[in-house]
Amino acid sequence: DQQVKQNSPSLSVQEGRISILNCDYTNSMFDYFLWYKKYPAEGPTFLISISSIKDKNEDGRFTVFLNKSAKHLSLHIVPSQPGDSAVYFCAAISGGSNYKLTFGKGTLLTVNP
Amino acid sequence: EAGVAQSPRYKIIEKRQSVAFWCNPISGHATLYWYQQILGQGPKLLIQFQNNGVVDDSQLPKDRFSAERLKGVDSTLKIQPAKLEDSAVYLCASSLEGGNQETQYFGPGTRLLVL
Repeated sequence: DQQVKQNSPSLSVQEGRISILNCDYTNSMFDYFLWYKKYPAEGPTFLISISSIKDKNEDGRFTVFLNKSAKHLSLHIVPSQPGDSAVYFCAAISGGSNYKLTFGKGTLLTVNP
Repeated sequence: EAGVAQSPRYKIIEKRQSVAFWCNPISGHATLYWYQQILGQGPKLLIQFQNNGVVDDSQLPKDRFSAERLKGVDSTLKIQPAKLEDSAVYLCASSLEGGNQETQYFGPGTRLLVL
């Protein structure tokens, strides 16, 4: 049972445009959400997070939006750069689960020069 | 600050053989995690340690997988005997205390291929 879903396996955008990566979740107990970025042959690296008490968090070119009623979050990258090309994982934490991370399957973002 | 170290980076074994992976977390991090990432999937938590105690091993296949963190620092994950479906990347991560809203830092992973 996939509690965190990333329904787009891949996304291709042009350099300078906006990249929007989507994530849906089913577990109402999730109260903290994170995005990780992964390059080939490397481990995932933390990118940005959002608490369930907020609906937006911004860090430079990266913004995460949370819609609790729809159980949906999205990561916006503006402007996209070729170095952003990587797999992006959405992850969620439930406070009642020893703060265990539950990951989605990931979305491969390709930013074309 | 040194990151999470893992070795080996790659391992190829035949089914029914044994294999062990090693992880050294970031200095001072009390919480250590082992994840399994099968191709096309997100990482799945196998086991979580707080210092040298197990916090969560609910998704660890205990008939063949074992892990230890004897001195509360580095850790080993063992598979004995390996099956074809164990082919995956095994990721180790650490965090300061394992609390909510705390970043987990990942190592580069060990890529295991079982033939």
